[in-house]
Amino acid sequence: NAGVTQTPKFRVLKTGQSMTLLCAQDMNHEYMYWYRQDPGMGLRLIHYSVGEGTTAKGEVPDGYNVSRLKKQNFLLGLESAAPSQTSVYFCASSYSERDGNEKLFFGSGTQLSVL
Amino acid sequence: SQQGEEDPQALSIQEGENATMNCSYKTSINNLQWYRQNSGRGLVHLILIRSNEREKHSGRLRVTLDTSKKSSSLLITASRAADTASYFCATDNSNSGYALNFGKGTSLLVTP
Repeated sequence: NAGVTQTPKFRVLKTGQSMTLLCAQDMNHEYMYWYRQDPGMGLRLIHYSVGEGTTAKGEVPDGYNVSRLKKQNFLLGLESAAPSQTSVYFCASSYSERDGNEKLFFGSGTQLSVL
Repeated sequence: SQQGEEDPQALSIQEGENATMNCSYKTSINNLQWYRQNSGRGLVHLILIRSNEREKHSGRLRVTLDTSKKSSSLLITASRAADTASYFCATDNSNSGYALNFGKGTSLLVTP
């Protein structure tokens, strides 16, 4: 069972460079999320998607874009990386039915450093 | 917004002891969840308690919820070294799918 898979696991960028983080889930989940985790800040929601072809902004969306072209994939893009985007990024997914199964399944994270 | 706030920030106990972590939140919720994060790993769901529930058990875990005080507690009984991890409470945000608002976490260290 793969669950939620994130690639890459580590990446170092220079300021101004662009990159895309890929999240794939094999659980047929409708909902997918991107969070960032910074020391002392907990997890903060960047963007989320409630279905294929739909995306929406979360708490800290500036500097990021997302796409959900296929139900199983959720891509997070940084068009022009900044040092403030140094963080650990987590993708998560969940079912859509409100039946006691609303828990999130997380990937193992991407450690991104922007120099 | 980080609605949940855990207390204490860090907790150190010996194997066999019980560990209690508390969580306070600000606005009304549909459910509250607890997650565990081992160092360098993703978060793993532990337990979900609905707003109309007061207590829930899962193995060595006991969660309570007091909606009048907007607080929850997680009790881990008979702790083991393998329980060493960070624990987060999370409240639902009905405006963002099932996106959760996470607190900053409690770092638990269980020593043999």
